[in-house]
Amino acid sequence: NAGVTQTPKFRILKIGQSMTLQCTQDMNHNYMYWYRQDPGMGLKLIYYSVGAGITDKGEVPNGYNVSRSTTEDFPLRLELAAPSQTSVYFCASSYLTRGTGELFFGEGSRLTVL
Amino acid sequence: AQKVTQAQTEISVVEKEDVTLDCVYETRDTTYYLFWYKQPPSGELVFLIRRNSFDEQNEISGRYSWNFQKSTSSFNFTITASQVVDSAVYFCALSASPGGSTLGRLYFGRGTQLTVWP
Repeated sequence: NAGVTQTPKFRILKIGQSMTLQCTQDMNHNYMYWYRQDPGMGLKLIYYSVGAGITDKGEVPNGYNVSRSTTEDFPLRLELAAPSQTSVYFCASSYLTRGTGELFFGEGSRLTVL
Repeated sequence: AQKVTQAQTEISVVEKEDVTLDCVYETRDTTYYLFWYKQPPSGELVFLIRRNSFDEQNEISGRYSWNFQKSTSSFNFTITASQVVDSAVYFCALSASPGGSTLGRLYFGRGTQLTVWP
């Protein structure tokens, strides 16, 4: 079972560059999320989606964009990368509504902006 | 507002000791869910348990047990006879839907780094 797959696992960007973190899940989950994890700060929600074509902002959306054209894919776009976006990014999906179900996480993508 | 506090930043124990990780949460919602996740050194996040606000029964799973007390807004996690493989960061998380309008967000605590020494 693939579960939630994120690519790339590691990436170094220069300030001002753009990139897309890819996320795919094969569990037919409607709910998908992007979190970032900074050292000692837990995970913070960037964006989430309740289904194809529907996305909404989380706690820390500035500097990011998302789209959800299919149930399976939920890419996260970084425009004009900044050092403050150096973090580990986790994509997750869930099968139950209103936060009742466990989140299934990808393995994370470590991004460094220099 | 939803908030999860894990006051213990780091805990070190020696193998076979029991250890309790504290979690205190805040929410005004009457229906909510609490979770614990484990993040081993490899970095992935592993689901351990989900508990809803209407079920205050304690739960035991092998060496793991959870104590949920609504009166103190706490959802503590105990590892009995700890092992080196238990070394990880443990996150407590809360999901609530105030007024039914917020869907599926998990609010995480900052995590507790547990180190178990042989």
